[in-house]
Formats: sequence, C-alpha cells, structure tokens
Amino acid sequence: DIQMTQSPSSLSASVGDRVTITCRASQSISSYLNWYQQKPGKAPKLLIYAASSLQSGVPSRFSGSGSGTDFTLTISSLQPEDFATYYCQQSYSTPPERITFGPGTKVDIK
Amino acid sequence: EVQLVESGGGLVQPGGSLRLSCAASGFTFSSYEMNWVRQAPGKGLEWVSYISSSGSTIYYADSVKGRFTISRDNAKNSLYLQMNSLRAEDTAVYYCARVRWGISAYYFDYWGQGTLVTVSS
Repeated sequence: DIQMTQSPSSLSASVGDRVTITCRASQSISSYLNWYQQKPGKAPKLLIYAASSLQSGVPSRFSGSGSGTDFTLTISSLQPEDFATYYCQQSYSTPPERITFGPGTKVDIK
Repeated sequence: EVQLVESGGGLVQPGGSLRLSCAASGFTFSSYEMNWVRQAPGKGLEWVSYISSSGSTIYYADSVKGRFTISRDNAKNSLYLQMNSLRAEDTAVYYCARVRWGISAYYFDYWGQGTLVTVSS
C-alpha cells in the first residue's frame, strides 16, 4: 500500500498567517492527491483535488501544489473558520481498494 | 442540492450485526460510484469499501473483508453497508462519500454527515 505522511501533525497559527502543510507519499502518485478539511463533529469537506485544482465554492486563499511524492496545501491568510484538521488522500491506487489518507494536520489558534 | 444522509448506526455487542444506509438526493445516484469511509474516535480517516455505479464492481479494505458487504439500490437512491461479526475496533463514525473522476483525479466530492457505530458489551 502507498503510505501517506503529513507534517506537521499540528500547528498553532494566528488569523492572517500564511500556513503550509506538507504531505508525502511513499511512492510516486503523479497528481492523484486530494486535500480535505474536517471540523469537529463534521464530515470531511473537499478542498483541493488533483493536487492543485480548487473545488468549486472553496475560497481562493486555499491552494495546492506538488506532484510525484511531495505535496503542499497552503492557506494564504488564515481565517477564523479555517481552524480545523486537514487530511491529504492519495487516489493513485485505482481500482480504489488501496486509497489511503494521511494522518491529518490539526490547525489551531495560537 | 446534493445530499447524502446516513442512518442505522447504534450500539451493538461484539459479534453482532448492523446495517447502515445512505440516502442520496439531488443528483442521479445511478451514475455515481460510492464509498464508505470510517473514522474511529479521535483518529484519522480510513477507506472501507467501494461500489461501482451499477453495483457490479466492489472492493473492501482488508480490515473488513469477509465481514462487511456493500450494496446499492439505484431505484431507491440508496447505498448500504451490512456489517457482520462486529469487533470493538469497528467502532467509528461511518460516512458515505460520492466519487468524482477527472484528469489525474479521483476524489470524494460529497460526504454524508456520518453515523456512529459503537461495538461494546
């Protein structure tokens, strides 16, 4: 199975900060990398798909980059509603019986 | 508006069974592949099972293979997960999620609100 790691596992930031989260795959996954945001008690929400495509309705302060094994999610100016846990997901392994998620990065208020 | 609404969760004893349902609306359910994803309390996301739009192709995570059965009824716009021989480690919130495909893209664009399954004596 393709293993996903994320760093950091948690971070504290202030409103207005630029935040970058890194996701690394154990082997090349081309651009089959998605990012989700999850708030406590809520379902995950798709932010970015195919490494850098912004899902409809998601604010433009969110952006994704990378290909191969190394990927980043950037929040250009952190807003109060952005405090959440962020997960990367590889979908290179299709058929999808080997889809895996990263362990998550929790973003909280400094 | 796309909506996915799970139901059927609850408290069950180890070795017991439970059937989860996911009611879909706001889109042509029969055209979309679907998945179940779970999240143990305080833990990350784990993919559980996949079903193709017609129901002809099915996959399971190794952790549930032989115990869980995914199915769908396109006439009723519903997805199901039959869970047998439940274990404590199956305790989790279970989400249904819709699949979208694109160029270098395979992702879950809509998720239900989740239903909690607790396996305990």
